Amino acid sequence: GAGVSQSPSNKVTEKGKDVELRCDPISGHTALYWYRQSLGQGLEFLIYFQGNSAPDKSGLPSDRFSAERTGGSVSTLTIQRTQQEDSAVYLCASSSLAGGRNEQFFGPGTRLTVL
Amino acid sequence: GENVEQHPSTLSVQEGDSAVIKCTYSDSASNYFPWYKQELGKRPQLIIDIRSNVGEKKDQRIAVTLNKTAKHFSLHITETQPEDSAVYFCAASSYTGGFKTIFGAGTRLFVKA
Repeated sequence: GAGVSQSPSNKVTEKGKDVELRCDPISGHTALYWYRQSLGQGLEFLIYFQGNSAPDKSGLPSDRFSAERTGGSVSTLTIQRTQQEDSAVYLCASSSLAGGRNEQFFGPGTRLTVL
Repeated sequence: GENVEQHPSTLSVQEGDSAVIKCTYSDSASNYFPWYKQELGKRPQLIIDIRSNVGEKKDQRIAVTLNKTAKHFSLHITETQPEDSAVYFCAASSYTGGFKTIFGAGTRLFVKA
């Protein structure tokens, strides 16, 4: 079946503009994660959605970052008033949490460049 | 807050040698420990995982060990091959109202032919 998809694959924006990044998880996966990966760096946890529970927003770096997950499926990560330090690859992952395992399936990422 | 430390940051081995990557975690509630491999320009993919009720797990040339008392877990790759060259991430996950996952900073493994 189809894997996790993200759009756009690349986004170049000017400092101060708002951007929206989209994630389509694998159908039926109840858990959805957003991570940020700067060049050559690790995976920084941003936010986590699980079913109908309130999202875990503990990783969001500032109040300029927000995310929604509509209908338990598609998610949108919004960055307001972008700054140059926001430049990174934003990865989305989903998981079914089947069998108590949390194998996360990652999307291809959105490369964000803030000029 | 939760933290996962990973060492070394870079590892270079000769083809055929073994490679060991070590991680420590801080959240004692962590009960699931996956390892992901990320090849250059690609997305991370799960290669092996271990749960806290198991001390060791092996899958062909890769194995993971877990010491819950010391909060340590390690990835072992034997008979390394050039295609093992990638960045490896450890992670710790706990079911505390969910499965929030904290990743280590990654280890860049180079396998020299």
